[in-house]
Amino acid sequence: SQKIEQNSEALNIQEGKTATLTCNYTNYSPAYLQWYRQDPGRGPVFLLLIRENEKEKRKERLKVTFDTTLKQSLFHITASQPADSATYLCALVWYKGSSNTGKLIFGQGTTLQVKP
Amino acid sequence: GAVVSQHPSRVICKSGTSVKIECRSLDFQATTMFWYRQFPKQSLMLMATSNEGSKATYEQGVEKDKFLINHASLTLSTLTVTSAHPEDSSFYICSAPSSGGGNEQFFGPGTRLTVL
Repeated sequence: SQKIEQNSEALNIQEGKTATLTCNYTNYSPAYLQWYRQDPGRGPVFLLLIRENEKEKRKERLKVTFDTTLKQSLFHITASQPADSATYLCALVWYKGSSNTGKLIFGQGTTLQVKP
Repeated sequence: GAVVSQHPSRVICKSGTSVKIECRSLDFQATTMFWYRQFPKQSLMLMATSNEGSKATYEQGVEKDKFLINHASLTLSTLTVTSAHPEDSSFYICSAPSSGGGNEQFFGPGTRLTVL
């Protein structure tokens, strides 16, 4: 079965540094990989999507890479701020059979704490 | 971006009662919605896919007679937890996919269910 793993240990960094989160997957070749932010007691918020034929995607201070050989995605937040503290989830999109609607399979998330 | 709402945000009920949770897409139509469950410090687990005008599709291990899903219109899906028990206490979140090609999801704010 498809499996997607993130570092379950919390990541603590100093304000201004770059945070790097890792997402690894097995038994699948996703067409897309997505990253979400989740704050405590809230639903996830979509951040970035990267396609299998893309190596890198950027959005403001966020950068995502996608290595289909290593089956890994890295999520970077540059110039991190305390407001970036949250849990970050990666998800792969799985299309079952002939369905046009993909289902998301989530990793367990990595909690980032940015200290001032 | 598109907005998805859930109601109620929090519910406490006695064991054996049924609880209905509503998920609405406020400014777009959604022929498909997804229902997830999230236990503390765990990731989102897909429970079922709600399809407007047809039966929901349940993930393996999810009891369809216990978790009733009705997709009454293009903007409303409901999840009813029947005969709730304490082990059903969890954070229930719905989502609707965007119309873009990457299947990014717009999530509701979640419903915290506590069964006494």
